[in-house]
Amino acid sequence: ETGVTQSPTHLIKTRGQQVTLRCSSQSGHNTVSWYQQALGQGPQFIFQYYREEENGRGNFPPRFSGLQFPNYSSELNVNALELDDSALYLCASSLEVAGVADTQYFGPGTRLTVL
Amino acid sequence: DQQVKQNSPSLSVQEGRISILNCDYTNSMFDYFLWYKKYPAEGPTFLISISSIKDKNEDGRFTVFLNKSAKHLSLHIVPSQPGDSAVYFCAAGAGNNRKLIWGLGTSLAVNP
Repeated sequence: ETGVTQSPTHLIKTRGQQVTLRCSSQSGHNTVSWYQQALGQGPQFIFQYYREEENGRGNFPPRFSGLQFPNYSSELNVNALELDDSALYLCASSLEVAGVADTQYFGPGTRLTVL
Repeated sequence: DQQVKQNSPSLSVQEGRISILNCDYTNSMFDYFLWYKKYPAEGPTFLISISSIKDKNEDGRFTVFLNKSAKHLSLHIVPSQPGDSAVYFCAAGAGNNRKLIWGLGTSLAVNP
């Protein structure tokens, strides 16, 4: 067990709605990354937060946004949901020291279904 | 454009034998590589990594080999155990770039 938790486990939304997914990092980790894993695919990097600021972003539109809080927990927000947003959303925490990021440890994921 | 390729969607191995999972990459800027294992309904679990300055890294039953000239790496599991049955992902990164690029995964079945 990695110590990274995510909530909720499953979620069903309809097209056009907004969703917030939550992640609690492993104790001592200061960096959180979010990934989207569609069925049959590998995880796709969405963005990373380090000390409450976005620190790298993948090829996702601005309707995907995030927050990292002082206690290093994190949220992923998706606005104007589309059917293709249906996927497993994974959060990974890691420790970055002097600009060098350590191994990422993943939570169990949130399964989002958009109808 | 798949920069990290795992060309075998599945692999079946007998318990006690060696499992070899392969991964190819196209981006010569990648300088560190990781293998993750994923069970259904769980997040990926880190297994082992290798930096481009090495050609081999070993941790217990798991060994990763890196052939930079061929842009190829492989994960060897020996001896394979039924509990190793899972989907294995290869991921690669470059320098302090925060983005890990992942393969599609290989589903390993270890038969008793």
